[in-house]
Amino acid sequence: QLQLQESGPGPVRPSETLSLTCTASGGSISSNSYFWGWIRQSPGLGLEWIGSIYYSGSARYNPSLRSRVTISIDTSNNQFSLNLNSVTAADTAVYFCVRSPGGLIAAHFDYWGRGALVTVSS
Amino acid sequence: DIQMTQSPSSLSASVGDRVTITCRASQNIKNYLNWYQLKKGEAPKVLISGATNLQSGVPFRFSGSGSGTDFTLTISGLQPEDFATYYCQQSYTIPVTFGGGTKVEIK
Repeated sequence: QLQLQESGPGPVRPSETLSLTCTASGGSISSNSYFWGWIRQSPGLGLEWIGSIYYSGSARYNPSLRSRVTISIDTSNNQFSLNLNSVTAADTAVYFCVRSPGGLIAAHFDYWGRGALVTVSS
Repeated sequence: DIQMTQSPSSLSASVGDRVTITCRASQNIKNYLNWYQLKKGEAPKVLISGATNLQSGVPFRFSGSGSGTDFTLTISGLQPEDFATYYCQQSYTIPVTFGGGTKVEIK
């Protein structure tokens, strides 16, 4: 059974970079059958898809965040990561890592992590 | 972006009740509509994909219907573990987008 676990350094100051890593266990992220992505949940915006990445490293992002987001993948450690730069209080949210089946970037999300709360505050 | 509008935003119901949640898309998304259950502190769970396809392990009291722009999630016989927040999501095109959620509370 696949499990996803988010991890990160904790609170982030405004204008700095938010960094999170998702570690997959019970399955390989090197499969060509899935996309791996990030979704966030904030009181103001509800659930928002941030972006997704394929095992090859090809990534797509939400246009609303594209200028500030980078998602990368490390197949050797079965991890993928999120970097969001120039953060503001509006980026305070619970961040989930997710998997999309079927090799499609527009798909449902069949596995989720429990989420990591990231607070942006000075 | 495709806008997804859910209603109601919250509802109160009793164990055993039949509950219906609706989701409307701002344009035709065929059957590319998915439903999720979120509980605080837990990994969210996909209930239904492709508008009507019940995911493995999801109880049969959950069902989905609709196509085009109008969709429905029905819980037939609400159980204590069903009190949660439910979201719809379109996977017709990126950026994929979600509805605003429906919180199902105990009456």
